[in-house]
Parts: sequence; structure tokens; C-alpha cells
Amino acid sequence: EIVLTQSPGTLSLSPGERATLSCRASQSVSNNYLAWYQQKPGQAPRFLIYGASSRATGIPDRFSGSGSGTDFTLTISRLEPEDFAVYYCQQYGSLPPITFGQGTRLEIK
Amino acid sequence: QLLESGGGLLQPGGSLRLSCAASGFTFSSYAMSWVRQAPGKGLEWVSSISGSGTSYADSVKGRFTISRDNSKNTLYLQMDSLRAEDTAVYYCAKGQLKVDVWGKGTTVTVSS
Repeated sequence: EIVLTQSPGTLSLSPGERATLSCRASQSVSNNYLAWYQQKPGQAPRFLIYGASSRATGIPDRFSGSGSGTDFTLTISRLEPEDFAVYYCQQYGSLPPITFGQGTRLEIK
Repeated sequence: QLLESGGGLLQPGGSLRLSCAASGFTFSSYAMSWVRQAPGKGLEWVSSISGSGTSYADSVKGRFTISRDNSKNTLYLQMDSLRAEDTAVYYCAKGQLKVDVWGKGTTVTVSS
């Protein structure tokens, strides 16, 4: 089972700043099959990124994903107030099971 | 759109069946999954069903059964021998790899 470790656990930034979230896998993620999700309190997750770098339908271009192998990054270029949430990475290259990271909380500074 | 139902409060050892009504896409063409989230915790994959069969997390194997009725566009999760650690919001999810559509979730609480 691939274990995903996200860092930092909490990231405190201000609107307009750039956010960089990390996801590290315990072994190489096949075909870079890595996704990112956003979750706000009391809501279901929202699909952001797949294949490490492809944006899902309707996702603003301030969200970008990068990386390969075991190291992946989600970057939010200029934070909007609605971007403050918890972000999860998920691998789907080696299954079962699909696995999720433990999440990074992005909070307003 | 995915709409879950069937959650509730029950005692350890009990059983519950969750349902997920799908609309807006050709349900029979897609693999489907259940993902859960314990209070204050992260996301945990529970089970998936596709044309190739079913799969389960080790934590629920032998206790939970996933099924679907394509004529009703509905996904199910039969949960038996429930434990306190099964307490979570259960999300219905479209896909078994990446999940592009999520339901709002239904809450299952197992407590004596």
C-alpha cells in the first residue's frame, strides 16, 4: 500500500499570497496517477487535479499541480478567500487500495 | 449528482444499508465507490464496484458488501457487524480511481 505524506500539516497565508502544498509517496506512483481535492468544513471534497497536473473541469487556473514519481506539489498562485480549506492528495496508480494523504489545512493568516 | 441516504445511530454489532441515488450521468457506465471520513479525520477509501468486480479496504472486508442496481441508478453499501470505529460520514463517489463527483454524505454513528 502506498502511503502519502502531506506537508505542512497547516499552512497560514494571506489572500493574494502563493501557496505550495507537498505530497510525498512511500513509493513511486505509477503513471503519476495522483489527484488533489479541496474540502471545506461540512462539505464533500471537490475534485481539483488529476494525473498530477491536469485541472478538472471548472477549476480556476490559479490551481496547478506538478511533480512525478514520489514527490508532488499543489500550487495556488494567488490565494482567494474561498481557497482556505483542507487539501488532500490521493494516488490511484497502485490499487487496491486508493490511498489519501492526511491533508494540509490552509488557513488565513 | 449523487444523493446518499440510510445513515443513522446504532449499537455495535448492528447492521445498516446505505443507498446512493445517481443522476445526471449514465450510471451503468461507471465504477462507483464509497469513501468515509471519521470525525475530524481524513478520507478513507472503503469499497469500489466496477465491471471487473468489487474491492474492499482491509478494515471492512468480510463485514461490508457493495452492490448496485443499474435499473434504479442506485449504489448500495450493506454494513454488518458494525464497530465504533466505523463511525464516519460515508460519501458515495463516482469512479474507482480518481473521483470527479461526490455526494454530500450520510452520517453513520456506532455507539452504545
